[in-house]
Amino acid sequence: DQQVKQNSPSLSVQEGRISILNCDYTNSMFDYFLWYKKYPAEGPTFLISISSIKDKNEDGRFTVFLNKSAKHLSLHIVPSQPGDSAVYFCAASTDLYSGGGADGLTFGKGTHLIIQP
Amino acid sequence: DVKVTQSSRYLVKRTGEKVFLECVQDMDHENMFWYRQDPGLGLRLIYFSYDVKMKEKGDIPEGYSVSREKKERFSLILESASTNQTSMYLCASSKTGTGESWATEAFFGQGTRLTVV
Repeated sequence: DQQVKQNSPSLSVQEGRISILNCDYTNSMFDYFLWYKKYPAEGPTFLISISSIKDKNEDGRFTVFLNKSAKHLSLHIVPSQPGDSAVYFCAASTDLYSGGGADGLTFGKGTHLIIQP
Repeated sequence: DVKVTQSSRYLVKRTGEKVFLECVQDMDHENMFWYRQDPGLGLRLIYFSYDVKMKEKGDIPEGYSVSREKKERFSLILESASTNQTSMYLCASSKTGTGESWATEAFFGQGTRLTVV
């Protein structure tokens, strides 16, 4: 059963416009959410995160919104640039592990963002 | 900058071979993870470790084992490689957080593309 869902396998956006990537989750115990960007043949790189006590976090062109009641988060990229073309993964974590450490991230299947000139 | 280094970018092994994938991080992170990435399936957690000599199963541990004898090194072992273990393997590390959440962002290595023939 998929606990983190990215329902759009791909998304095409014109350069300069806003890109909105969506993610839904089912596990109400998730309390930390992250977005990663991945180019082919490379490891994912961390973009931005948000804790469940917040509903918005912003870092430059990237903003993540969290709607806990809907179990939904989204990543906004404004303005979109050609270098943003990549696969974006949504990930979530709980901190319930007794040792106090992260017990691993649960990833969605990814959304391939294509920025068109 | 955090550096997570995986020993090989590409590996080709024969069915039935014992395979070792090595990962080293240089930021004194407590937590280390092994994921595999397959088309259409996203990243799936194989094993993780939150301390030296400690290990926990992730979502797909079957056919794998791990070793963490030193804090900076986390090895993934395929006891008897099979063709369905052909995949991109990604190692990651993270520190245990404080404050809002124990979880923090994970930093990934460049990946190892393993082909089992």
